[in-house]
Amino acid sequence: GAVVSQHPSWVICKSGTSVKIECRSLDFQATTMFWYRQFPKQSLMLMATSNEGSKATYEQGVEKDKFLINHASLTLSTLTVTSAHPEDSSFYICSVKRVYEQFFGPGTRLTVL
Amino acid sequence: AQSVTQPDIHITVSEGASLELRCNYSYGATPYLFWYVQSPGQGLQLLLKYFSGDTLVQGIKGFEAEFKRSQSSFNLRKPSVHWSDAAEYFCAVGANNAGNMLTFGGGTRLMVKP
Repeated sequence: GAVVSQHPSWVICKSGTSVKIECRSLDFQATTMFWYRQFPKQSLMLMATSNEGSKATYEQGVEKDKFLINHASLTLSTLTVTSAHPEDSSFYICSVKRVYEQFFGPGTRLTVL
Repeated sequence: AQSVTQPDIHITVSEGASLELRCNYSYGATPYLFWYVQSPGQGLQLLLKYFSGDTLVQGIKGFEAEFKRSQSSFNLRKPSVHWSDAAEYFCAVGANNAGNMLTFGGGTRLMVKP
């Protein structure tokens, strides 16, 4: 498999501030990572596909200027929630693509006050 | 477009009883199928997967699943449930192409009675 970490595991911020979430592939060089969002008691919704060295591909309805994704190396992708508002509060999970499988990070709980 | 349906939002079983979680998918070709488990506030752990071959697949923690093409189903089973199995279970279908996007079902919350 692949070991994936996320940092921070939880974050609380004030409305209007920006928050960066890191996703690291610890034992595998990941060309492709995915970012998901999960609301309480709901399923995972794909936000974007992060490709190393190129622009991310966003799903329909996801604001690319709101959720900035950077995949600058084969082991790190970051998701920045810009000018966060309470409705951005959610559980954000990343995954690493390896052949036909995805390996998931432990998630980051974002709470915007 | 691919889709996944998990008809049961909640299931409660007694410890030691058998379990079956249902999953139906829609996909134009032979899909890649996965079952994941998620404990509260945690990420997803892969229980098992089906790509091809034997339609009965064994996974971790005593789980198994059977791919039935005629019914477009990939139901998860366990013969004897343990209290630690209480969690959220997600079925997912992956496209068998380079993009390999995963589509998740809505999830089934399993509660285990002592």
